[in-house]
Amino acid sequence: GAGVSQSPSNKVTEKGKDVELRCDPISGHTALYWYRQRLGQGLEFLIYFQGNSAPDKSGLPSDRFSAERTGESVSTLTIQRTQQEDSAVYLCASSFQSSTDTQYFGPGTRLTVL
Amino acid sequence: SQKIEQNSEALNIQEGKTATLTCNYTNYSPAYLQWYRQDPGRGPVFLLLIRENEKEKRKERLKVTFDTTLKQSLFHITASQPADSATYLCALYSGTYKYIFGTGTRLKVLA
Repeated sequence: GAGVSQSPSNKVTEKGKDVELRCDPISGHTALYWYRQRLGQGLEFLIYFQGNSAPDKSGLPSDRFSAERTGESVSTLTIQRTQQEDSAVYLCASSFQSSTDTQYFGPGTRLTVL
Repeated sequence: SQKIEQNSEALNIQEGKTATLTCNYTNYSPAYLQWYRQDPGRGPVFLLLIRENEKEKRKERLKVTFDTTLKQSLFHITASQPADSATYLCALYSGTYKYIFGTGTRLKVLA
């Protein structure tokens, strides 16, 4: 079966523009996570979706960041008015259900803000 | 605040030797700890999960220990191979379905 997919794989944008990143989780996985990974850094938690529960948005760095998920499928991460410090790899992961289940990561979207 | 430390220096070892990577944490009592492998340009891949009541976990050539007194996990790769070269990340469960990731240690196995 297919793993987690993300699109686009690379995105170059100008400062001040909005960008939308997409994640397609593994079918049947109820949990979905977004992380940010700056160059040479660890993964920074952004947001978590679990089924139909309210998402945990505690990791979003500013109100320019938002994310949505349609049911238990596709998720989009939107960054408005991008800044140069938003440049990073944005990783999506999904897991079957609980906190101890393996997180399966997508390949990431490399965002470069000029 | 919660803090995870992994050796940021790259670890170079000779093929066939055992690689040992360290993950230290403070201000924290995680119930679970995971180790992931990340290759350049790719997302992390899950390797092992260990629970706080487990001292050791093994999978093929991999072994993880979890010392809740020392607040430390050790990750061992025995009989290392050049294909094991990658960055290895530890991740600690922080509650409410979130994991906090370390910055990773880059391992290079020399042929």
